[in-house]
Amino acid sequence: GAGVSQSPSNKVTEKGKDVELRCDPISGHTALYWYRQSLGQGLEFLIYFQGNSAPDKSGLPSDRFSAERTGGSVSTLTIQRTQQEDSAVYLCASSLERRLWTGIEQFFGPGTRLTVL
Amino acid sequence: TQLLEQSPQFLSIQEGENLTVYCNSSSVFSSLQWYRQEPGEGPVLLVTVVTGGEVKKLKRLTFQFGDARKDSSLHITAAQPGDTGLYLCAGQAPGNTGKLIFGQGTTLQVKP
Repeated sequence: GAGVSQSPSNKVTEKGKDVELRCDPISGHTALYWYRQSLGQGLEFLIYFQGNSAPDKSGLPSDRFSAERTGGSVSTLTIQRTQQEDSAVYLCASSLERRLWTGIEQFFGPGTRLTVL
Repeated sequence: TQLLEQSPQFLSIQEGENLTVYCNSSSVFSSLQWYRQEPGEGPVLLVTVVTGGEVKKLKRLTFQFGDARKDSSLHITAAQPGDTGLYLCAGQAPGNTGKLIFGQGTTLQVKP
């Protein structure tokens, strides 16, 4: 079956513009995560959707960042009024949702490389 | 705030050498995972450790979870050029959640 897909793969934008990044999770996966990664570094948690529960937005760096998940599947991460420090690779992951989360595997997409000029 | 300190951040070795990557925290994690990431791709899970003191082997890779579940290590025996990549440790955040906290990553380069 298909893995996690993300679009676009690359996005170049000008400072101050808004951008939308899309994530299509693996079919049947009800948990979805967004992370941000700077070059050669670890992943910074942004937001997490778990089934029908309210999303965990604790990692969003500012109110310019928002995300939604429609129909429990596709998710869009929106960055308003982009700044140069927003330049990074944005990774999406999905996983099965289960009662006990211990050791659950997250499946990652290839990421969207965002460059803000 | 839970943090995972990963070391070293960069490692360049010759084919056939052994190496160890460390992942340390002052916090207890209910589980810890190791991922490997290649350029232009997302991370891929290598192993999950759950029990304090647990040791898991995956061919030439040996993973260990500390007794207190605050630290972990990845040991590679006789490294190969194909082992080159970014290695990431990730701990499960408390509170029965799927949310992961990642270390800064270790970039491994194995030269032939």
